[in-house]
Amino acid sequence: AQKITQTQPGMFVQEKEAVTLDCTYDTSDPSYGLFWYKQPSSGEMIFLIYQGSYDQQNATEGRYSLNFQKARKSANLVISASQLGDSAMYFCARAGYSTLTFGKGTMLLVSP
Amino acid sequence: DVKVTQSSRYLVKRTGEKVFLECVQDMDHENMFWYRQDPGLGLRLIYFSYDVKMKEKGDIPEGYSVSREKKERFSLILESASTNQTSMYLCASSLRSGGVQETQYFGPGTRLLVL
Repeated sequence: AQKITQTQPGMFVQEKEAVTLDCTYDTSDPSYGLFWYKQPSSGEMIFLIYQGSYDQQNATEGRYSLNFQKARKSANLVISASQLGDSAMYFCARAGYSTLTFGKGTMLLVSP
Repeated sequence: DVKVTQSSRYLVKRTGEKVFLECVQDMDHENMFWYRQDPGLGLRLIYFSYDVKMKEKGDIPEGYSVSREKKERFSLILESASTNQTSMYLCASSLRSGGVQETQYFGPGTRLLVL
């Protein structure tokens, strides 16, 4: 099975600091996509950011950016200027033909 | 905005009962998905559907079936609920089949407890 690995079960960060959440993936496909989702305690999965394997530039969406290192097969999420509302579970996922394979997630806690 | 709704946020059922979880999306998406989420295991795909009356098994289809009679509605069925099916169930949809860039949009989830 092609795995997604999130090695950090939990991370702590202080408000206004930046934080990096790690994600590495297996794939033998030349074309693939990588997604990050946020899941607050309410349970809903919220799409944050997408990176295509052929994209030349790292994806950015507001305070979220993706540090994509294709040769290392890593797609780390960087959150700048953390806010209390960023406290949540974060999932990395890799897209195949129509489906997503998810990592086990990282719990991020932002303290005042 | 894409809206994916699930029929219940919380559900309590007894072992052996037949359970229906309903999911509706309002954006004319072709693909729909059912996942279960368990602590430490992440999200695992149960079934997905890329068209009306079409279904494909995911990674953990045992003990589940699905129905898609209309494009906007995708139902997950537990034929005879068991305690090991206590979990959070998440429905998702995406615009079209194929391609690696299709974002999946999720519903709020149903927390199912089987006693």
